[in-house]
Amino acid sequence: QKEVEQDPGPLSVPEGAIVSLNCTYSNSAFQYFMWYRQYSRKGPELLMYTYSSGNKEDGRFTAQVDKSSKYISLFIRDSQPSDSATYLCAMSGPGQGGKLIFGQGTELSVKP
Amino acid sequence: ETGVTQTPRHLVMGMTNKKSLKCEQHLGHNAMYWYKQSAKKPLELMFVYSLEERVENNSVPSRFSPECPNSSHLFLHLHTLQPEDSALYLCASSQEEDSPLHFGNGTRLTVT
Repeated sequence: QKEVEQDPGPLSVPEGAIVSLNCTYSNSAFQYFMWYRQYSRKGPELLMYTYSSGNKEDGRFTAQVDKSSKYISLFIRDSQPSDSATYLCAMSGPGQGGKLIFGQGTELSVKP
Repeated sequence: ETGVTQTPRHLVMGMTNKKSLKCEQHLGHNAMYWYKQSAKKPLELMFVYSLEERVENNSVPSRFSPECPNSSHLFLHLHTLQPEDSALYLCASSQEEDSPLHFGNGTRLTVT
């Protein structure tokens, strides 16, 4: 079993839709959860960073962490064509020396 | 000036060549990383340097040799690579080992 599972997609939605991206994980020690966005021919850029459980909102983006279910989500409201990218979840635990464990990434396409 | 700069952007090399990838970070971070990104696979951590000391060598073949001469620069020396080493090689930095990563745009490596 992979430590982090993420549906690779591709996911195609119309402009304005609400997008839900998800990852599940197996290591209950994970406490730091991140979402990265990667455009084609670019490196990943940090989108959201959360510690432990709960929600975090930043503009049209909301990150949720449910540690009891070992499940994290990223919601994108009012999706735009510029949101078309690959979204990577990543996580780590204390004392893991910066060893982020990444999901495979979900490819998202928002159609005008 | 972007935070993490990688050169070259593209590299094609034969199996008997020797080449080096270069990374420079302008963020004042203390930790630097090499990741490998292959199609349809999660990012794989290769090496971690913290305060210029290597703290992680993730079972990477010896044909990959990292060098960190100071906290701002990181190199990946390549020799006698295999075609399966073709991938996007990403450099990243972080303030400390448990902080979020900031990535460069990568070097697209093709081994012929």
